[in-house]
Amino acid sequence: GEDVEQSLFLSVREGDSSVINCTYTDSSSTYLYWYKQEPGAGLQLLTYIFSNMDMKQDQRLTVLLNKKDKHLSLRIADTQTGDSAIYFCAESRGSGGGADGLTFGKGTHLIIQP
Amino acid sequence: EAQVTQNPRYLITVTGKKLTVTCSQNMNHEYMSWYRQDPGLGLRQIYYSMNVEVTDKGDVPEGYKVSRKEKRNFPLILESPSPNQTSLYFCASSRLAPDTQYFGPGTRLTVL
Repeated sequence: GEDVEQSLFLSVREGDSSVINCTYTDSSSTYLYWYKQEPGAGLQLLTYIFSNMDMKQDQRLTVLLNKKDKHLSLRIADTQTGDSAIYFCAESRGSGGGADGLTFGKGTHLIIQP
Repeated sequence: EAQVTQNPRYLITVTGKKLTVTCSQNMNHEYMSWYRQDPGLGLRQIYYSMNVEVTDKGDVPEGYKVSRKEKRNFPLILESPSPNQTSLYFCASSRLAPDTQYFGPGTRLTVL
């Protein structure tokens, strides 16, 4: 079955880069996503990557995809206190681009140290 | 403003008392889903709908019902809630495209 794994906590110093890692099992996933959830809030789509891409960059965010190892990472450059949140990795179900649902990891709590 | 709304945002109820959580989207999206979020478990899909009158089970459908009579609405029904359904529930909608996933603000349900 589908499974998405990510570590539960990551602590970084303000100004450093954060790298959140994720592994997934469904090789047929069309898209892979990163969502951000701030305390008491819903989920915000940060970025996504198509499965035939290796890398995607969007301002401070860099997504790397190693399809062979089924490994996805999110790098946040110059981490700020506002980046403190839970980050979810997710893969699309089937070929629908995620519209028919996503399989989420358990989330990584990003903790920013001053 | 494009949005997904859920009501109520908070609900405390007792075992066995039927309840409905409403979800509505104003973006004319075909696809809608319900998820529950539990500590240490992430989000798990309960049900999804690909269009009006088309629904299908997700990973954890037991104890839940849904309906999709109109494109904009996708209510979640708990016919006989139990304490293990205490959770944070999210509704989401999208078109068939990767960047149009919109999540509602969440409904925190407590079943005593």
